[in-house]
Amino acid sequence: EPEVTQTPSHQVTQMGQEVILRCVPISNHLYFYWYRQILGQKVEFLVSFYNNEISEKSEIFDDQFSVERPDGSNFTLKIRSTKLEDSAMYFCASRGTAYSYEQYFGPGTRLTVT
Amino acid sequence: GESVGLHLPTLSVQEGDNSIINCAYSNSASDYFIWYKQESGKGPQFIIDIRSNMDKRQGQRVTVLLNKTVKHLSLQIAATQPGDSAVYFCAVRYSSASKIIFGSGTRLSIRP
Repeated sequence: EPEVTQTPSHQVTQMGQEVILRCVPISNHLYFYWYRQILGQKVEFLVSFYNNEISEKSEIFDDQFSVERPDGSNFTLKIRSTKLEDSAMYFCASRGTAYSYEQYFGPGTRLTVT
Repeated sequence: GESVGLHLPTLSVQEGDNSIINCAYSNSASDYFIWYKQESGKGPQFIIDIRSNMDKRQGQRVTVLLNKTVKHLSLQIAATQPGDSAVYFCAVRYSSASKIIFGSGTRLSIRP
């Protein structure tokens, strides 16, 4: 069964450093998402991406965040200058078509900012 | 905007009994509703979904009920098993948006 994969599983970084979280969505999916989950809290939407551009973003997704689909398989989330409060699980998700609403989530990357 | 909330943060059920997890949403423009299961250290796993033109949908051992009048969603798990232990999130999408809004989650624990 096809699945979304994410790397690394755990990333530790110092405050102020840049991090790039990587995702490989399900092949042939067209819609891509990033969510985050602070420990013990609900999953929060960050950004959606379609046709090589951001289609929607939340207030969390400020100028420190960016997304990119550098090739036909990867989807990345970059945080330019990490803050302590960026520590969370980051989940990538993908969706097939405009008529298929189901989003498939990856296993997540745990980001720890020290 | 949209807010989604679950009625109980925790639920303890005897193994073999049925579990019912409830959720309320605020935006009447919501058109798609999903239940996710999240086990420790893993990403949300799709369980079942329902669109706003339906009020009931059944899967394997799970049923989702949607009451649009009172903006209420429930997940019923039949014959609860130890493997059902997890945090369950309801999530909502409203028309014209692509994002999913998650509720705060109910932790389901199973008593032997």
